[in-house]
Amino acid sequence: QQQVKQSPQSLIVQKGGISIINCAYENTAFDYFPWYQQFPGKGPALLIAIRPDVSEKKEGRFTISFNKSAKQFSLHIMDSQPGDSATYFCAPENTDKLIFGTGTRLQVFP
Amino acid sequence: DVKVTQSSRYLVKRTGEKVFLECVQDMDHENMFWYRQDPGLGLRLIYFSYDVKMKEKGDIPEGYSVSREKKERFSLILESASTNQTSMYLCASSSTLVWAGVLTNEQFFGPGTRLTVL
Repeated sequence: QQQVKQSPQSLIVQKGGISIINCAYENTAFDYFPWYQQFPGKGPALLIAIRPDVSEKKEGRFTISFNKSAKQFSLHIMDSQPGDSATYFCAPENTDKLIFGTGTRLQVFP
Repeated sequence: DVKVTQSSRYLVKRTGEKVFLECVQDMDHENMFWYRQDPGLGLRLIYFSYDVKMKEKGDIPEGYSVSREKKERFSLILESASTNQTSMYLCASSSTLVWAGVLTNEQFFGPGTRLTVL
């Protein structure tokens, strides 16, 4: 079942640019909307998350924008750095289970 | 810091072998999960457990079983390994929390086991 659609599959950004990754979901029962970050050779780790009654959350250079009516949420990385090069997953949650998107491989070049 | 450890980083097995993947967490989490990660498919949930001796099927349980005899340990078993089970296997643990009125479930992942079945 394709409950979560993530795009783009890969993204190449110049240092200092803005990276934007999108996630669309179908299940209206999702009630927690995190993004996970995975570096090569490591397991994913929680980067930032938002609850459904808030439209935007910012933590440093990372921002989640949430559109409940459109059933979409996105991750914005401002002033992208080479150290941000990783794979990013949206993973909305329902009843303690995360449903992972297919991932976006971000490469930030100096 | 939460630590989730997996018994092997790399494993090579032959078709038909029984394979055990072990996962241990040190934060007294009640929830534990097994995923497989394949390129272009993201992470797919195989099995999960909310408590000792409890197990629930995830999205792709066929060909796998699990065991949770102790709270800190969750084992994934491939009864008869097949080549289509070649993958990266990730274990995670979590404790359900209430965050601003919403039940949340930050999962902490191990480094993964890359299994190759020949």
